[in-house]
Formats: sequence, structure tokens, C-alpha cells
Amino acid sequence: GDSVTQKQGQVTLSEDDFLFINCTYSTTTYPTLFWYVQYPGQGPQLLLKVTTANNKGISRGFEATYDKGTTSFHLQKASVQESDSAVYFCALVDRYGSSGNKLIFGIGTLLSVKP
Amino acid sequence: GGIITQTPKFLIGQEGQKLTLKCQQNFNHDTMYWYRQDSGKGLRLIYYSITENDLQKGDLSEGYDASREKKSSFSLTVTSAQKNEMAVFLCASSGTGGGQDTQYFGPGTRLLVL
Repeated sequence: GDSVTQKQGQVTLSEDDFLFINCTYSTTTYPTLFWYVQYPGQGPQLLLKVTTANNKGISRGFEATYDKGTTSFHLQKASVQESDSAVYFCALVDRYGSSGNKLIFGIGTLLSVKP
Repeated sequence: GGIITQTPKFLIGQEGQKLTLKCQQNFNHDTMYWYRQDSGKGLRLIYYSITENDLQKGDLSEGYDASREKKSSFSLTVTSAQKNEMAVFLCASSGTGGGQDTQYFGPGTRLLVL
């Protein structure tokens, strides 16, 4: 079945540092890939959605792309701020689910940004 | 816009107790979901429902029941709480058409079993 692997459990950066978080995926269909962000005490919220390989999704200074050749997708930001401290999840739509839109989530990356 | 409301915000139970979590959405979405979030394990799907009175098991359905009596509400029951269990239960919903894949989440119910 479809799967997502997110290995970076925790990342600690200083303000204005560059952020890069990577996930790998496995699917037999054309993937639709997501990044969700979860702030403390809240539920996850959609950050970016990417449906076409090598096309960038851009939102709130974050960029996301995926590479079919390496079956990887990543999230990056040129200059993080303390307010970006949160958990970031990558996710893949499971096209074989009966609802057609069941999401498979990675384990999440906790980003801590020091002032 | 819309909102997803989950009640209660915190739930403390005893071992073996039956516990019910509730979720309401006003997006008028067809599909609703229940996820369990444990530290280091991401979000795991317990149950989902594609329409009123429909129920589909997710990867983690054992030990849980669900109910979708109205389009706007979706309940989850922990049939027998396990001692020292601690997790966050997240409810989500998604629509049809172009926004079908995007899931909108509630703030969660935090469960602690003593």
C-alpha cells in the first residue's frame, strides 16, 4: 500500500536560518502531497498542497516541491522565525481508500526556532 | 469559512471505562474522520465516514466504536480505556470537488486514563 516516511523527528534552528524538511513516499499512482503544520494546543492545518512534480507550492514564505525520480518531497523556508516553531507533517492521499481522500501522515518534525 | 468543534477538550477516565468524544462541523462537509495522535507516531486513522450513517474502519479501529447520525456530527467511543493511556484525538472533515483532499482539523481532545 501507499506509505510516507518522515525521518527528522526534531529540528532546532536559530532565527533567520534556512529550513529544509524531507519526506519520501511510495505509491503506484500520481501522488498528491501535503504539508500540514500544527501549533501548540491546536489541530493540524494545511500549509501546502503539491499535485505536480517539480512544481512549487508556496505559502507564508514556505515552499514545497516533489521529485518523482527520487520519490521525495520537501518543505523549505529561507529564513525561519520564532513563530514558525511547530510540528510539520508531510502527508499523501491514499487513492485506494474507498473515500478517495484518506490521508497517510508522516510522524511529524518538531521545529524549534531560537530567538 | 467553517469550524470544527470537539468536546470535551480534556478527558480523564478510569481503566475499563467507556468514554465518548464528540465532534461537530459547520463546513457542510460530507466526509469526517477520527485520528489518534501519539508522540513520535504521527496521526493514525481510527474511523472515517463518507456520509450520514456510513462508517469505515481505519488502521486503528480495534477498541473503538464510531457513530455518524447527522452530517454535521461524528462521535467516537473508547470501548474500554487502557490504564496509563495518554493521547490526543483529532477530528477532521473534508468536502467534495476541488477541495476534496484538504482535511480541516479540530483542536483535539486530550485523553488521560488513570
